[in-house]
Amino acid sequence: AQTVTQSQPEMSVQEAETVTLSCTYDTSESDYYLFWYKQPPSRQMILVIRQEAYKQQNATENRFSVNFQKAAKSFSLKISDSQLGDAAMYFCALHGNKLVFGAGTILRVKS
Amino acid sequence: GAVVSQHPSWVICKSGTSVKIECRSLDFQATTMFWYRQFPKQSLMLMATSNEGSKATYEQGVEKDKFLINHASLTLSTLTVTSAHPEDSSFYICSPRGLGSTDTQYFGPGTRLTVL
Repeated sequence: AQTVTQSQPEMSVQEAETVTLSCTYDTSESDYYLFWYKQPPSRQMILVIRQEAYKQQNATENRFSVNFQKAAKSFSLKISDSQLGDAAMYFCALHGNKLVFGAGTILRVKS
Repeated sequence: GAVVSQHPSWVICKSGTSVKIECRSLDFQATTMFWYRQFPKQSLMLMATSNEGSKATYEQGVEKDKFLINHASLTLSTLTVTSAHPEDSSFYICSPRGLGSTDTQYFGPGTRLTVL
């Protein structure tokens, strides 16, 4: 079975500051992928960043980076220099034999 | 990312009627299609997986006779909600995956279904 846990229902960050969203997961697959997706009010799912489990190096995409701790099964997302447009629901997802989502974290950005 | 369209974007129907939702992958061939359901302020729940030309595989608890999935071509899949009831009101999202792609999934813009 695959599970994804996001323990923060809501987070707030001041514009231009940094925020970290937490995610833990569990899977019996040896080869898997991890993702962070963003869902703004339009509800369109947008891929933010992906990480291959076999890679030790943490993925980065501009202001977005992850802290992938494979042994601890942890996959947090750090957003640097937060912008108003970052406000959205963020989902952590695991793809082993299928794509499974966490419950989501609502991120609010204060101006 | 991939271009995926869904039609209609929103639909209101009366209880007991059937509604068809179309999902098209516009710039790649979708060998596999995933259909998700999302209730307000909740996560995406996988309903079923279909491979082009094959019958769909449904997740536990999803009624296959109620949610009919057709994936007859590599660019089009449909989800039909039969005899819809108010509890079927939800946001339905398709997610196609291309041949040779085993990881990243892209998503359609979703269809909001309201059953009166």
